[in-house]
Amino acid sequence: QVQLVQSGAEVKKPGSSVKVSCKASGGSFRSDVLTWVRQAPGQGLEWMGGIIPIFHKVNYAQKFQGRVTFSADESTSTAYMELTGLTSEDTAVYYCTRDWGGSDYWGQGTLVTVSS
Amino acid sequence: EIVLTQSPATLSLSPGERATLSCRASQSVSTYLVWYQQIPGHPPRLVIYDASKRATGIPARFSASGSGTDFTLTISSLEPEDFAVYYCQQRTNRPPWTFGQGTKVEIK
Repeated sequence: QVQLVQSGAEVKKPGSSVKVSCKASGGSFRSDVLTWVRQAPGQGLEWMGGIIPIFHKVNYAQKFQGRVTFSADESTSTAYMELTGLTSEDTAVYYCTRDWGGSDYWGQGTLVTVSS
Repeated sequence: EIVLTQSPATLSLSPGERATLSCRASQSVSTYLVWYQQIPGHPPRLVIYDASKRATGIPARFSASGSGTDFTLTISSLEPEDFAVYYCQQRTNRPPWTFGQGTKVEIK
């Protein structure tokens, strides 16, 4: 059984950065596709991109290109999502997911609030 | 970028009734289409993958069909736990893997 445990809620100032972690257990971390999805309050789901640790391959949605970085630490089975240049529009719950033909496992979500 | 349009935005039904949700793609996605269910305050749950295959643990009252640009998710007889928001997502080899805007199935 795969489990994804994310880091806790964050409050950030506009213009700053946030780094969210996602620790995986129970799966094949190195060869899994790990994706990041966000959901603004009361809104729908937005795919940010994904990473395959074994290939060091990342894919970013164009909307986030230049502002987001995905990384993975295989020694701790932890994935990271860093988003820079935060604005109020980045206030959202950020989810990591394990993707196997669909996102079949999700982290619990990390609320990032951007406020001055 | 492939745009997915879900309809209706809201479906008001009673328990026991049949729900039919639609997802239309702006260009063909073959069968690279999945459906998720989300209950407020919880992460989404995978319901259907490859357009028509039920994910692990999903009851048989959920079925789905379609290919190309038109897809349907059907819940044959709504149970209380089925009232939620449903999202479709396309997953072709042309990222981004976009989501539809969601259909809310609410109790009438």
